[in-house]
Amino acid sequence: GAVVSQHPSRVICKSGTSVKIECRSLDFQATTMFWYRQFPKQSLMLMATSNEGSKATYEQGVEKDKFLINHASLTLSTLTVTSAHPEDSSFYICSARGPGQGIEKLFFGSGTQLSVL
Amino acid sequence: DQQVKQNSPSLSVQEGRISILNCDYTNSMFDYFLWYKKYPAEGPTFLISISSIKDKNEDGRFTVFLNKSAKHLSLHIVPSQPGDSAVYFCAASANDYKLSFGAGTTVTVRA
Repeated sequence: GAVVSQHPSRVICKSGTSVKIECRSLDFQATTMFWYRQFPKQSLMLMATSNEGSKATYEQGVEKDKFLINHASLTLSTLTVTSAHPEDSSFYICSARGPGQGIEKLFFGSGTQLSVL
Repeated sequence: DQQVKQNSPSLSVQEGRISILNCDYTNSMFDYFLWYKKYPAEGPTFLISISSIKDKNEDGRFTVFLNKSAKHLSLHIVPSQPGDSAVYFCAASANDYKLSFGAGTTVTVRA
């Protein structure tokens, strides 16, 4: 299957700093990328959907000014957690799909475990 | 508000026996259901899916059953193999690409 690379896999930061997470599609053009968050023992929750070249669409309850998403190219989307706080500590994971691909063709990154001290 | 629930966080099964994973949902607008498998340090990978117009879909050792009236689906793996040890996620969508996930079930296949 297609490959989606997500970096870093783990990051520890101090409260108040910003953290950038990258999601790259290595062998296909990702016209749409999705960002999820998972708290311990809970489900993956969709945070936002981004289409290449346009602004991300955020799910209800997700602060767009706190979680900045950029999808400037067909192979790269970034999620920046701004002014991170301990409650932002979570597992973040992206998924991507190419043009015209069905829902079964969503490919996931390996995730980023963020710990905010 | 969790619309997809996997109430069993873990399942242990002997090699060669059947693994049955369950999933319940609340949103009647869901029309497509998927199961994903996840190994440690890797992203979830698609395993099998079923449309709401069907009640069963089979792919090799994997079969998914859908009971729309009960808003319940299950994944059967038979026979279970050691390589099946992983976390399994149930997911659902309502005619779009947004997936609602369950919390996952960790399957351990004992030799």
